[in-house]
Amino acid sequence: GAVVSQHPSRVICKSGTSVKIECRSLDFQATTMFWYRQFPKQSLMLMATSNEGSKATYEQGVEKDKFLINHASLTLSTLTVTSAHPEDSSFYICSARPGTVNTEAFFGQGTRLTVV
Amino acid sequence: GESVGLHLPTLSVQEGDNSIINCAYSNSASDYFIWYKQESGKGPQFIIDIRSNMDKRQGQRVTVLLNKTVKHLSLQIAATQPGDSAVYFCAENPTGNQFYFGTGTSLTVIP
Repeated sequence: GAVVSQHPSRVICKSGTSVKIECRSLDFQATTMFWYRQFPKQSLMLMATSNEGSKATYEQGVEKDKFLINHASLTLSTLTVTSAHPEDSSFYICSARPGTVNTEAFFGQGTRLTVV
Repeated sequence: GESVGLHLPTLSVQEGDNSIINCAYSNSASDYFIWYKQESGKGPQFIIDIRSNMDKRQGQRVTVLLNKTVKHLSLQIAATQPGDSAVYFCAENPTGNQFYFGTGTSLTVIP
């Protein structure tokens, strides 16, 4: 299957700093990518849809100024957690679909963010 | 968004037994569904998918059943193995490209 790669896999940052997470589709182009957040023992919550060349679409309740998304190319989307707080500590996962209708989404390996 | 994340229900089965994992989805407009398996600290992995024009689909050791009337999916795993221990999520695709995930079930296989 298609490969989606995330970097870094783990990051620890201080409160008040910003952290950037990268999501790359390695063997296909993706006009849209998706960012999820997952707390321990909970499900994946869709945060936003990253659109290549245009603004991201955020789910209700997700602060767009807090979670900056940039999708500058067909193979790269980035999520920047700005002014991080301990409550932002979570597992962040990106995904992308090679096709559109009725095709699976492939997921990155996730990024464990810890804010201290 | 769609389904809200809750703490995971758990299911324990003996090795070799069959497992049935259930999922309720929320959007009647969803026309494509996927079951994903997630191991600790990793991203979800595709298991099997089903389109809304089907009510059953079989893969290798896995079967997915779809009941659109009650918005319910189930995943059946035959002859469950220790390597099947993981968290299982159903995901629905209502519109566009987004997938929304169900609550999930933590499966533990007892050797």
